Amino acid sequence: DTGVSQDPRHKITKRGQNVTFRCDPISEHNRLYWYRQTLGQGPEFLTYFQNEAQLEKSRLLSDRFSAERPKGSFSTLEIQRTEQGDSAMYLCASSLQVGANEQFFGPGTRLTVL
Amino acid sequence: GQQVMQIPQYQHVQEGEDFTTYCNSSTTLSNIQWYKQRPGGHPVFLIQLVKSGEVKKQKRLTFQFGEAKKNSSLHITATQTTDVGTYFCAGRGPNTGNQFYFGTGTSLTVIP
Repeated sequence: DTGVSQDPRHKITKRGQNVTFRCDPISEHNRLYWYRQTLGQGPEFLTYFQNEAQLEKSRLLSDRFSAERPKGSFSTLEIQRTEQGDSAMYLCASSLQVGANEQFFGPGTRLTVL
Repeated sequence: GQQVMQIPQYQHVQEGEDFTTYCNSSTTLSNIQWYKQRPGGHPVFLIQLVKSGEVKKQKRLTFQFGEAKKNSSLHITATQTTDVGTYFCAGRGPNTGNQFYFGTGTSLTVIP
């Protein structure tokens, strides 16, 4: 399978714990996006990487959220001191820098904070 | 900040009827994309529109980008049960880099 993969697919955690999610983009894609989606809503932009550089970050993003893409390939999204309001589907997408900017989404990681 | 709204939020149609969803942005967009998300699935890219007044067709789907580049529509002719899902527009503003703002989505149900 050469699509975008995410791990884990599901995560249940207690409030106050830290969680980390991983995204493996399509291999030749140099752009990587993180989104958050809650039920009945569209994906909400969190952050964007071009290669290893984090170029954009949502102004609404709490400083409890941090993302990395150390070698310009896979990326991790960490949430520290989770809150119940962090419960959502976390989607990763990748795209090529040129062309139609088509974003290929992964299956997502569903986070439940108890 | 930039907001992208879609109407209607839900649409139920009989199989064979047409369907249209509308996307409106509070600011001018540099381009707009459309995605389809099946229940339990992830968004899948359909198309990107860039030019003012642009119209693109994909089989039974017709996409339009408004002259002012602040609105867009997706029209499906003669819906089929395979069209079921939520349709999202995603706009990129001229000053928002590569941030795409997704609309609220229109959930389409097709009754056989």
